[in-house]
Amino acid sequence: GDSVTQMEGPVTLSEEAFLTINCTYTATGYPSLFWYVQYPGEGLQLLLKATKADDKGSNKGFEATYRKETTSFHLEKGSVQVSDSAVYFCALSAPGRRALTFGSGTRLQVQP
Amino acid sequence: NAGVTQTPKFQVLKTGQSMTLQCAQDMNHEYMSWYRQDPGMGLRLIHYSVGAGITDQGEVPNGYNVSRSTTEDFPLRLLSAAPSQTSVYFCASSYSLAGSSYEQYFGPGTRLTVT
Repeated sequence: GDSVTQMEGPVTLSEEAFLTINCTYTATGYPSLFWYVQYPGEGLQLLLKATKADDKGSNKGFEATYRKETTSFHLEKGSVQVSDSAVYFCALSAPGRRALTFGSGTRLQVQP
Repeated sequence: NAGVTQTPKFQVLKTGQSMTLQCAQDMNHEYMSWYRQDPGMGLRLIHYSVGAGITDQGEVPNGYNVSRSTTEDFPLRLLSAAPSQTSVYFCASSYSLAGSSYEQYFGPGTRLTVT
């Protein structure tokens, strides 16, 4: 079945550091790929998405590129802020399906 | 729009008790779903619905029932609570457009503890 694997956390960075959170997936066909963010005490919010190979999703300074050849969708940000501290989830939906398959989440802590 | 709302925010149950977690959305979304979030396991799909009167099982449906009598509401029922159902429960909804990628909107969650 479909699965998503993302790096374990927590990831602790200083403000203005470069962020990478790795995400790889297993799925048949061409799934849609998503990054969701969960701030403390809140539900999940969509951060960015990509629906086909080589698409780049971007939002709030975060980027991720859909790499079919490596089945990856790594999340990057050039300069993190304290306000980026949250849990980040990589997810996919199989073609024609709405249900999401999530990775286990990566907690990011940004220190001033 | 209020988006997706869930009640209650917190609940403590004793083993064997039953209860209903409420979920409502005001975005006229056809698709609604319930996930549970456990430490180190991400979110797992419990049940989902593609429209009023239509429900189906997800990855972890045992011990839960759902119904969908209206487009707006999608309650989750725990029939006989067990400690293994201690979790955070999220309701989500999305549009139902064939061929598109579906952004799902999540509620704030219900933290359930079963003792």
